[in-house]
Amino acid sequence: GNSVTQMEGPVTLSEEAFLTINCTYTATGYPSLFWYVQYPGEGLQLLLKATKADDKGSNKGFEATYRKETTSFHLEKGSVQVSDSAVYFCALKSSEKLVFGKGTKLTVNP
Amino acid sequence: EAQVTQNPRYLITVTGKKLTVTCSQNMNHEYMSWYRQDPGLGLRQIYYSMNVEVTDKGDVPEGYKVSRKEKRNFPLILESPSPNQTSLYFCASSFGDRGRVGYTFGSGTRLTVV
Repeated sequence: GNSVTQMEGPVTLSEEAFLTINCTYTATGYPSLFWYVQYPGEGLQLLLKATKADDKGSNKGFEATYRKETTSFHLEKGSVQVSDSAVYFCALKSSEKLVFGKGTKLTVNP
Repeated sequence: EAQVTQNPRYLITVTGKKLTVTCSQNMNHEYMSWYRQDPGLGLRQIYYSMNVEVTDKGDVPEGYKVSRKEKRNFPLILESPSPNQTSLYFCASSFGDRGRVGYTFGSGTRLTVV
């Protein structure tokens, strides 16, 4: 079945460091891909999305490119801030549900 | 404000005592769904609904019921809760576009069954 694998955390960075969170997927066809973010004590918020190969999703300085040749959708940000500390989930749209990775906890220290 | 509202946010209950977690959305979304989030397991879908009176099982439906009598509401019912249903629950909704624009999630309900 369809699945998502993302790098295990936790990830700890200093402010202004470069961030990469790896995400690869297994799916039939070309599903829509998403990154969601969960801040402490809150629900999931859509961070960015891509619906077809080579699409680049971007929001709040975060970017991810839909790479069908490597079945990847890695999340990147050039300069993280303390306020980016959260859990990040990669997900794909499969039939009538979202299939999520297990999440990567990011902590950014001042 | 467009949102998905879940109630309650926190609930502690005893084994076997029926409970309902409510979910309501104000965006006129056709699609609604329930997920549970557990450490090490990520988020798993419990049930979903494509529209009023149309519901179907997700990956982990055992021990849960749902209903969709109105478009805006999608309550999750635990007829006889057990400790293994202790979890963080999220309701989500989207337009009937097969989810290409992503889902809107509620803030979550943390349930503890003792």
